[in-house]
Amino acid sequence: QVQLQESGPGLVKPSETLSLTCTVSGGSISGYYWAWIRQPPGKGLEWIGYIYYSGSTNYNPSLKSRVTISVDTSKKQFSLKVNSVTAADTAVYYCAREPYYDILTGPKSWADSWGQGTLVTVSS
Amino acid sequence: DIVMTQSPDSLAVFLGERATINCRSSQSVLYTSNNKNYLAWYQQKPGQSPKMLIYWASTRESGVPDRFSGSGSGTDFTLTISSLQAEDVAVYYCQQYYSLPRTFGQGTKVEIK
Repeated sequence: QVQLQESGPGLVKPSETLSLTCTVSGGSISGYYWAWIRQPPGKGLEWIGYIYYSGSTNYNPSLKSRVTISVDTSKKQFSLKVNSVTAADTAVYYCAREPYYDILTGPKSWADSWGQGTLVTVSS
Repeated sequence: DIVMTQSPDSLAVFLGERATINCRSSQSVLYTSNNKNYLAWYQQKPGQSPKMLIYWASTRESGVPDRFSGSGSGTDFTLTISSLQAEDVAVYYCQQYYSLPRTFGQGTKVEIK
């Protein structure tokens, strides 16, 4: 069964860059889309974007100008960078797998496996 | 963006009773060419990450108890817990994956009365 684990600094200063990595174990990184989703404390879920193992990406327009998702298949990792962070970026960040792809409709999928999440606080 | 609206925001149900959560999308998430509704349900227990329950609006993920069921089509969907158990206390989210960006409902908190 695939497992995902987020890692990265828990505290980031305002205006700096938030960087997180998700490591995939127990399964292949190839053939899947991999997503980042965040949850501000006490609030709901926000989809940040995804990356295909080949490197193609799609981002939420609300964050697109500040977000970069990349993948390293040799390490079975994918990463998230959010630049120019503010307090509004304080959240638990989850990585997840999106397992479904249809040749006619493309990558329209739910998230079937999630990491445990990592809290990132933006504060000076 | 497709806006997902859940109701109620919270509900309290007696153990063994039925719990019903509604989810409405601002536009249809039914893809007519394959007659599939691009709608999922997740369960998030306190201090845990979300867990996949249902996809295609009504297909249970492997291992999910059959007291959980999903129904609906187009813009109106329902998650039903037929007989609430203590371990079902959680926040439940619907999500559309019909179009980008994927969007979630605001969540419904289920408690024991």
